[in-house]
Amino acid sequence: QLQLQESGPGLVKPSETLSLTCTVSGGSISSSSYYWGWIRQPPGKGLEWIGSIYYSGSTYYNPSLKSRVTISVDTSKNQFSLKLSSVTAADTAVYYCARHEGGPDAFDIWGQGTMVTVSS
Amino acid sequence: AIRITQSPSSLSASTGDRVTITCRASQGISSYLAWYQQKPGKAPKLLIYAASTLQSGVPSRFSGSGSGTDFTLTISCLQSEDFATYYCQQYYSYPFTFGPGTKVDIK
Repeated sequence: QLQLQESGPGLVKPSETLSLTCTVSGGSISSSSYYWGWIRQPPGKGLEWIGSIYYSGSTYYNPSLKSRVTISVDTSKNQFSLKLSSVTAADTAVYYCARHEGGPDAFDIWGQGTMVTVSS
Repeated sequence: AIRITQSPSSLSASTGDRVTITCRASQGISSYLAWYQQKPGKAPKLLIYAASTLQSGVPSRFSGSGSGTDFTLTISCLQSEDFATYYCQQYYSYPFTFGPGTKVDIK
């Protein structure tokens, strides 16, 4: 069955760029039905949607993060990626990748999440 | 952005209890609402979408209702594995937004 797996550095210095990749296995990221998204959760807090991308490269971003976020897709590798620039301690969180149908729709499949700490 | 509130923020219950959690949207979202369950250290799990449609594999003791601005998640007979935090999420419009969560713990 379809699985998502986040990867990337667990520690990022303040003012630098956070970079994560989500690898999709058991299915194609190029499926015409689905968008691929990033959601984060600071320690002990709730969930925040960061943005989503379609395999064609079409993106939607959360306006609260839009100036610092870039989401891209690499269909040849069945991966999509997140870049968040100028990070601060407030960006410390578990970052999840997840799938939702276009339309839009709920997130039906999630990665296990990866903890990213912003600290010098 | 559409704001989502949830109540209560936490509750204590016993196995076998009926539990109801409420979610309210700041504007009408039709039935574009999902409910998730999250256990410590784990990713959220989709329980219900379209306000009342049970995701495949989710036990029938979970049910959802509502439309417009007011929604409820009901667990008809709480089981030990149901102690977790529950989030609602609207997908009526971007940006997607989540409620702050309701923690269900053991009385």
